[in-house]
Amino acid sequence: AQKITQTQPGMFVQEKEAVTLDCTYDTSDQSYGLFWYKQPSSGEMIFLIYQGSYDEQNATEGRYSLNFQKARKSANLVISASQLGDSAMYFCAMREAYNTDKLIFGTGTRLQVFP
Amino acid sequence: GAGVSQTPSNKVTEKGKYVELRCDPISGHTALYWYRQSLGQGPEFLIYFQGTGAADDSGLPNDRFFAVRPEGSVSTLKIQRTERGDSAVYLCASSFSGGEETQYFGPGTRLLVL
Repeated sequence: AQKITQTQPGMFVQEKEAVTLDCTYDTSDQSYGLFWYKQPSSGEMIFLIYQGSYDEQNATEGRYSLNFQKARKSANLVISASQLGDSAMYFCAMREAYNTDKLIFGTGTRLQVFP
Repeated sequence: GAGVSQTPSNKVTEKGKYVELRCDPISGHTALYWYRQSLGQGPEFLIYFQGTGAADDSGLPNDRFFAVRPEGSVSTLKIQRTERGDSAVYLCASSFSGGEETQYFGPGTRLLVL
């Protein structure tokens, strides 16, 4: 059964510093996709970054990068130069290509950025 | 263009009542998804539409829940005989064509069953 694990219920980081949010996954499929979403207090899930299992390079989107270690089945999100507006819940999710399109989410990490 | 919209944003109902939650996907998106997010948890998949048909309804918890998308655009999630355990945020997402396409979420409907 597929599973996403986020072991950090909460993280603190000082403004302008970098922070890593951990995500490990479990799947027996060779083809899958990994996603990170941000959920501010308003409730909307905001797409941040995507990594395909066959992508050879780590994905990057502005201040977000995904540290993809396939052998370890980890897909950690790195946020560089943290901003106060980065304070939110962050969810890691997986989609298995040969299953349906549903996303399996972890339990999330609450990030708080302080001045 | 406009993102995914959901109405109502909040719904309070009494146990045993019927509710309908509406989702309007991004224009042109053929794939539409419903998820449910309980307090302190990540979203859980309910149902996926490709066009008008439900391609995967394996996440619907029981037969009190069903969803429709009659014209391949707007979708309605319907819950009969609501129970207090149905209280959650119901999130809708859409993607251009499903598959590897990114799912974009709406703001959700917060349902409270008293």
